[in-house]
Amino acid sequence: QVQLQESGPGLVKPAQTLSLTCTVSGGSISSGGYYWSWIRQHPGKGLEWIGYIYYSGSTYYKPSLKRRLTISIDTFKNQFSLKLTSVTAADTAVYYCGLGVDTSMITHFWGQGTLVTVSS
Amino acid sequence: QSVLTQPPSVSGAPGQRVAISCTGSSSNIGATYDVHWYQQLPGTAPKLVIYNNNNRPSGVPDRFSGSKSGTSASLAITGLQAEDEADYYCQSYDSSLSFVVFGGGTKLTVL
Repeated sequence: QVQLQESGPGLVKPAQTLSLTCTVSGGSISSGGYYWSWIRQHPGKGLEWIGYIYYSGSTYYKPSLKRRLTISIDTFKNQFSLKLTSVTAADTAVYYCGLGVDTSMITHFWGQGTLVTVSS
Repeated sequence: QSVLTQPPSVSGAPGQRVAISCTGSSSNIGATYDVHWYQQLPGTAPKLVIYNNNNRPSGVPDRFSGSKSGTSASLAITGLQAEDEADYYCQSYDSSLSFVVFGGGTKLTVL
């Protein structure tokens, strides 16, 4: 069974870049049909889909975040990453990485999530 | 507010049946995009409990079922148990927005 684990700084200053990594175990990040996604949850709120990267490297981002967002994949480390630039307090959230098998529409497996707070 | 509308809360006694609705529009659920449901226990990551409207992943009890009609979908839980107390989210795709959308979530309380 595939397992995912997020890692990265828990505190980011406003206007800086939020960088998170998701380490995949129990499966290859290069496996065909795998969609690696990021989803966030603002404190006490619902879920917000951010975007995904396909195993081939193609990406799709939520339009409102596209200007600030980059999702990349590192096949050697079996990891994928999120970079969100020019952050504000509105980016404070628990960030989850996830996996959709054969579809980008479903998140079959989730990481445990990591809280990122944007504050000076 | 969320593109998909869910009631903020529902409740039921142990052993009872509850249903959680998810109302969308012609650009998401009504456009024949599938609906998926996630359970989020307190302090944990979401877990897929229903996919493609009415399918259960391996390991999810058959007490959980889903349905979809028109621009709405519903998650039903029968034989309520204390361990079912959680937040539940519906999810689909919206063709007007061009991304995956979630409902606002429903808090299920087992009385």
